[in-house]
Amino acid sequence: EAQVTQNPRYLITVTGKKLTVTCSQNMNHEYMSWYRQDPGLGLRQIYYSMNVEVTDKGDVPEGYKVSRKEKRNFPLILESPSPNQTSLYFCASSLPSGRGTYNEQFFGPGTRLTVL
Amino acid sequence: KQEVTQIPAALSVPEGENLVLNCSFTDSAIYNLQWFRQDPGKGLTSLLLIQSSQREQTSGRLNASLDKSSGRSTLYIAASQPGDSATYLCAVRYNFNKFYFGSGTKLNVKP
Repeated sequence: EAQVTQNPRYLITVTGKKLTVTCSQNMNHEYMSWYRQDPGLGLRQIYYSMNVEVTDKGDVPEGYKVSRKEKRNFPLILESPSPNQTSLYFCASSLPSGRGTYNEQFFGPGTRLTVL
Repeated sequence: KQEVTQIPAALSVPEGENLVLNCSFTDSAIYNLQWFRQDPGKGLTSLLLIQSSQREQTSGRLNASLDKSSGRSTLYIAASQPGDSATYLCAVRYNFNKFYFGSGTKLNVKP
């Protein structure tokens, strides 16, 4: 089954304790992306990756890091989490623009993060 | 700066009504536009994808249209059902592979 998986699904942590949220897709997609969703603000793009070792900032990259060492995985790293990073996080994947005629985005189930 | 706006923010209708959700975007140079459904506390489910060269897409009771020149897309839901109750999001993709989402329309279909 084609899918995007995220782990963990729920996480409560404390300020400053480094954490990683994993994302994996089995559709051989080049493009992967991270979003955060906050009430009243909708989904905002944090980082995206066009392919292995190619990443770029979205609209809200501050306080986050990403890496793309393998095509299927795109972890989101919070080196020193703060309470304002409490949010619902989504990972997504798709073919890149210009490839294919039906390059919809597929989303993972989300990770609800609380930083105390 | 690209912006995507969805109106109304919330909508409550009786079962059986036909309804229209609106999505507008400031930069018309889009690559595609995708409509999603999100249930409370859940992920996003893709409903319809419209490429920039298309005018509309249909799936069952759903029809999405796109007018790039006016920067608008509409999602038409026919014969609404209580199971359609959810938040509907539109997402605009640009050629440079960045995505912009609207804040969504929360739909409540009353039995």
